[in-house]
Amino acid sequence: EPEVTQTPSHQVTQMGQEVILRCVPISNHLYFYWYRQILGQKVEFLVSFYNNEISEKSEIFDDQFSVERPDGSNFTLKIRSTKLEDSAMYFCASSVLGRAYEQFFGPGTRLTVL
Amino acid sequence: TQLLEQSPQFLSIQEGENLTVYCNSSSVFSSLQWYRQEPGEGPVLLVTVVTGGEVKKLKRLTFQFGDARKDSSLHITAAQPGDTGLYLCAGALSSNYQLIWGAGTKLIIKP
Repeated sequence: EPEVTQTPSHQVTQMGQEVILRCVPISNHLYFYWYRQILGQKVEFLVSFYNNEISEKSEIFDDQFSVERPDGSNFTLKIRSTKLEDSAMYFCASSVLGRAYEQFFGPGTRLTVL
Repeated sequence: TQLLEQSPQFLSIQEGENLTVYCNSSSVFSSLQWYRQEPGEGPVLLVTVVTGGEVKKLKRLTFQFGDARKDSSLHITAAQPGDTGLYLCAGALSSNYQLIWGAGTKLIIKP
């Protein structure tokens, strides 16, 4: 069964460094998302992406964040200058046209900012 | 601010018992998803309900969407230890496709 994959599974970085989290969505999906979950808290929406542009973004997704689909398979989230409070699980999700609400999630990347 | 309130937050019951988890909001959702999440892993989609009053069954799990599309419930019949996990509801607003998440119900089924 096709699934969303994410790399790395765990990323440790120093405050102020740039990180890139990578995702490979399910191949026939057209909508892509990033969510995050701080330990012990709710899952939070960051951004949605369709047709090579951002569809929607939350207040969390400020100028330090960017997304890109550099090729036909990868979808990346870049954090330019990480802060301690960026430490969280970051989940990528994807969905098909016509059922965008039915989102399938990857296993997540645990980001630890020291 | 749209909120999804899940209850109970925590439930520990014996194998074989029945249970119901609730997800409530003052907002109307175009759809509502139920996910299950294991520690350190991503949410796994269990079901999507779209129509007010809709009922879907997945083996011993029954999902219902409220008539007004503001609430949903998950009922498990004859719970088994394998049902242990964190159950999350997530609603999609009609205006966009971002999911609004509940805080989850941590379910423990004791053998």
